[in-house]
Amino acid sequence: EVQLVQSGAEVKKPGESLKISCKGSGYTFTRYWIGWVRQMPGKGLEWMGIIYPGDSDTRYSPSFQGQVTISADKSISTAYLQWSSLKASDTAVYYCARELTAAHAFDIWGQGTMVTVSS
Amino acid sequence: DIQMTQSPSSLSASVGDRVTITCQASQDISNYLNWYQQKPGKAPNLLIYDASNLDTGVPSRFSGSGSGTDFTFTISSLQPEDIATYYCQQYDNLPYTFGQGTKLEIK
Repeated sequence: EVQLVQSGAEVKKPGESLKISCKGSGYTFTRYWIGWVRQMPGKGLEWMGIIYPGDSDTRYSPSFQGQVTISADKSISTAYLQWSSLKASDTAVYYCARELTAAHAFDIWGQGTMVTVSS
Repeated sequence: DIQMTQSPSSLSASVGDRVTITCQASQDISNYLNWYQQKPGKAPNLLIYDASNLDTGVPSRFSGSGSGTDFTFTISSLQPEDIATYYCQQYDNLPYTFGQGTKLEIK
């Protein structure tokens, strides 16, 4: 079964760092882009960026460039999203998703990671 | 960034109704458009890619059409399990932006 499994919910304080993960299985991890999508409470979907685990080529939305870092470790089929200094406005559910090569559609999604940033 | 505008933002319909959602791009995106369904508390699910192609296993009551800047998503006969929020997404230019969503409720 093709699946993406994300790390669990996190509660952090403003200014703290965080790295969440997304582990792929059931397919060749290095052959598909993995994207990250933010969903703030009660809001819509925001495309953050994508990474190609085969060579770590990464593209960011201008809205998120410099705010987060996307990375991958192909040896363990895992992609990451990290923050160096969290803000309360980073509170959201973060989804990873596999991107279809041709249509750039996200066909397989992780279950989501809830990140809560509060003092 | 390309802006994607969906209408309506919310919609109430009865079981068996034909439901239509529109998505307008701020510039020509050819047919580079996808549609997703998101049920409460769940991850989104791909329904349609390339504006009109159903993803594997998606019921045939769902359909999509359009090209250029104007796109339509249709449910031919609304079922109770279709209650969800629907999003369009363009992939003509990075970042691959989403519409703001259309929340569909049962009347």
